[in-house]
Amino acid sequence: NAGVTQTPKFRVLKTGQSMTLLCAQDMNHEYMYWYRQDPGMGLRLIHYSVGEGTTAKGEVPDGYNVSRLKKQNFLLGLESAAPSQTSVYFCASSSNSIEQFFGPGTRLTVL
Amino acid sequence: GEDVEQSLFLSVREGDSSVINCTYTDSSSTYLYWYKQEPGAGLQLLTYIFSNMDMKQDQRLTVLLNKKDKHLSLRIADTQTGDSAIYFCAEQYNQGGKLIFGQGTELSVKP
Repeated sequence: NAGVTQTPKFRVLKTGQSMTLLCAQDMNHEYMYWYRQDPGMGLRLIHYSVGEGTTAKGEVPDGYNVSRLKKQNFLLGLESAAPSQTSVYFCASSSNSIEQFFGPGTRLTVL
Repeated sequence: GEDVEQSLFLSVREGDSSVINCTYTDSSSTYLYWYKQEPGAGLQLLTYIFSNMDMKQDQRLTVLLNKKDKHLSLRIADTQTGDSAIYFCAEQYNQGGKLIFGQGTELSVKP
């Protein structure tokens, strides 16, 4: 099992550009999550999904959209990137919403 | 609202015990967690405790929960240099597995 994988690992964007981050899991987990981590802060939940075809807002959803068209994938989109979205993005998945398994992260810089 | 607080730094000598503390505000939390993050990596779930327990032991790790004071601690016995990392406390406060993280405690283990 690869566990939770994230693509890409690094990305630099200019303000106003768009991009999609991909999270994939091969553990048949129902629950998937997107977090962001900023220096000196814990992770903050952006959006999450409790099953294929469902999405819900977390703590800091503004400026992001998500889709869960397939159970194994959870996509995070930035339609018009802003410097405030410079962060490290982590995806996680869970079978029971109790134990979450995290991916290695995507480091995004918006200039 | 929900809030989780941790001290930012802890330094110990190899072989000593480390105690990392955390306070939280939401008394309706169901599970409380400790995650470990090594440099450049994702979060690794170390252990978690259900809110109706007051202690959980797992090899070198001991978790203590004081619900009255909303205080959670992680004790690492015989701390090794490989334990150097950032440790995050988190609480799960409702369905769907939404986690609120503390800002992390950087543990430095000196030989």
